[in-house]
Amino acid sequence: DAGVTQSPTHLIKTRGQHVTLRCSPISGHKSVSWYQQVLGQGPQFIFQYYEKEERGRGNFPDRFSARQFPNYSSELNVNALLLGDSALYLCASSVEGHQPQHFGDGTRLSIL
Amino acid sequence: QQQVKQSPQSLIVQKGGISIINCAYENTAFDYFPWYQQFPGKGPALLIAIRPDVSEKKEGRFTISFNKSAKQFSLHIMDSQPGDSATYFCAASMRSNTGKLIFGQGTTLQVKP
Repeated sequence: DAGVTQSPTHLIKTRGQHVTLRCSPISGHKSVSWYQQVLGQGPQFIFQYYEKEERGRGNFPDRFSARQFPNYSSELNVNALLLGDSALYLCASSVEGHQPQHFGDGTRLSIL
Repeated sequence: QQQVKQSPQSLIVQKGGISIINCAYENTAFDYFPWYQQFPGKGPALLIAIRPDVSEKKEGRFTISFNKSAKQFSLHIMDSQPGDSATYFCAASMRSNTGKLIFGQGTTLQVKP
């Protein structure tokens, strides 16, 4: 069975641009969570969606937004990119929004 | 109160030895404690997890020990192998807060042949 898939795997943007990252959960999983992992640190929670509704939001500015589609896939959008947004963005899925969560391999975002 | 503190930051173990990584938390509302393994260029992979109603859980060479009164839990890797060389993260979550995982800072493990 396919795991959590994320696209693209790598992305280079410049300051001020916006970016859209995509995630497809494991088949049968209805919840998707997004995390930001800065080099050398543990992942930080950004959002959780379950059945297309936002269930939780971490301590991130309004430049970060997300949505979940009827097929349970999800997009993370980041506007007005800053150098500090350079990180690995991870998507995790779970059956109903609780545990366990299974992660994809992430999108490596570099801001120049 | 939302923090999970992990130690050591890095660890070097000889092949066949025992690797021990420790985590501590403050929030007694946490009720799920997983350990994730991450290789370079990959996402975290769930290794083993425990809930506070048990003090120990073992899966193969991996064991979680949980001390509820001390608010600490640890990962033991028995018979450590070079293939275990990776970064390990402890995490915690609370059911009332749905899926939000709070991660420790990570431990980079190197197992020498």
